[in-house]
Amino acid sequence: AQSVTQPDIHITVSEGASLELRCNYSYGATPYLFWYVQSPGQGLQLLLKYFSGDTLVQGIKGFEAEFKRSQSSFNLRKPSVHWSDAAEYFCAVGPGTNDMRFGAGTRLTVKP
Amino acid sequence: GAVVSQHPSRVICKSGTSVKIECRSLDFQATTMFWYRQFPKKSLMLMATSNEGSKATYEQGVEKDKFLINHASLTLSTLTVTSAHPEDSSFYICSAQPDRPEKLFFGSGTQLSVL
Repeated sequence: AQSVTQPDIHITVSEGASLELRCNYSYGATPYLFWYVQSPGQGLQLLLKYFSGDTLVQGIKGFEAEFKRSQSSFNLRKPSVHWSDAAEYFCAVGPGTNDMRFGAGTRLTVKP
Repeated sequence: GAVVSQHPSRVICKSGTSVKIECRSLDFQATTMFWYRQFPKKSLMLMATSNEGSKATYEQGVEKDKFLINHASLTLSTLTVTSAHPEDSSFYICSAQPDRPEKLFFGSGTQLSVL
C-alpha cells in the first residue's frame, strides 16, 4: 500500500535561511510525487510535481524538490525563506492524481 | 490557471440538519472530482472519488449514506452531509481533475461546524 511520511510536524526557520522539508514514501512502483502548500483555512496549491525525467524538480515560489529513489525520498527545499512562506506543506504520492495519499503535513513558521 | 470554486466557505448548522457543499470547475470540464476531509492539524483524507454521470466510489470507512455525492455535470459535484452531528465537524476540500490525469485543482475548502 502506498503511504507518505513527513517526519517533521513543525519547523521554524528564520527569514532568509534555507529550508528543507522531508518526505519519505512507500510505493510499489514508480510513484508520482507532489508537494502542496496550504494557507490557513484554504485549499491546496501545487508547488511542484515529479512524474519522470530529471530528478530535481523546480516549482513555483522558488521551491525545488529532489526525487531520490534509493532513499524513497522527495524532500522540498528553498534556499531563502520569506515570511510569506509560512504555511502547512503536504507531500503526496500516487499513481497519478487519482488515489493520492497525503502525508500528515509539516507546519512552517518563519521568524523575522 | 484553472479555478475550482467551493461553496460555502464556512457553514454552521444544528445537529440533525443536512448540509450541501458545492464544488465547481469554472473554466474546464472535470471528468473526475475528489472529496477530502481534513481534521485540525491532520492530513487530508480522501473520502470519495466521483465521476460525472456515475456513482461515487467511497473509501473504506466512509459512510456513503452519510456523505452523499452527486456529480451531475462535468462542472459540478456536490457533497451532502446528511443528518449532521458534531463529529462531522471538519474542513472539507474538493478537487477537480480535467482530462489530463496529472492535473488536479483544489477548491478553497469548507469549514463545517455542527452544534
